Amino acid sequence: EAGVAQSPRYKIIEKRQSVAFWCNPISGHATLYWYQQILGQGPKLLIQFQNNGVVDDSQLPKDRFSAERLKGVDSTLKIQPAKLEDSAVYLCASSVEGVANEKLFFGSGTQLSVL
Amino acid sequence: AQKVTQAQTEISVVEKEDVTLDCVYETRDTTYYLFWYKQPPSGELVFLIRRNSFDEQNEISGRYSWNFQKSTSSFNFTITASQVVDSAVYFCAPVSGGYQKVTFGTGTKLQVIP
Repeated sequence: EAGVAQSPRYKIIEKRQSVAFWCNPISGHATLYWYQQILGQGPKLLIQFQNNGVVDDSQLPKDRFSAERLKGVDSTLKIQPAKLEDSAVYLCASSVEGVANEKLFFGSGTQLSVL
Repeated sequence: AQKVTQAQTEISVVEKEDVTLDCVYETRDTTYYLFWYKQPPSGELVFLIRRNSFDEQNEISGRYSWNFQKSTSSFNFTITASQVVDSAVYFCAPVSGGYQKVTFGTGTKLQVIP
């Protein structure tokens, strides 16, 4: 079974530039998550999708971050414009139904450096 | 409000020693789930164990065991006979509510020295 796929693996940009990350969850998983993990901290949820609808985006900085999952499968997270404090690893995860007792499956993440 | 605390920032043990990782989850919810995830140097978080709030029976699975005490809100995870491959950051991740809103602790970095 293929795992959660993310690309790119690394990205270096200058502040005020734009960047996009892509995630393809495990086939059949209805729920998709984007997390931000700053060095030395635990992952913080940015947005959660159930199929192509948003369940929770309360911690997404909507003035610069956007995410979509148009067909309920893969997803794109965009930052425009980037700030220095956006330097982090962006993790994508998925689960079958998104119920409380389910485990999450994570991708390898995209490491973003904003200079 | 819910709060998850992993007070241990870093732990170093010598190979074959036992090590216990602590997690305290404070919540007013009566039903919740507690997960532990492992993040090795490669970066990919991997699920380890899951417990629910209405089952305080301690369990053992291979070298892993966990102790859940609802009265103290503690959910501790023990690795027996640690190995170098156990070196990683371990996150406690409670889940409350009907849908899957996962809150991660700050993590405990475990270093197993050969």
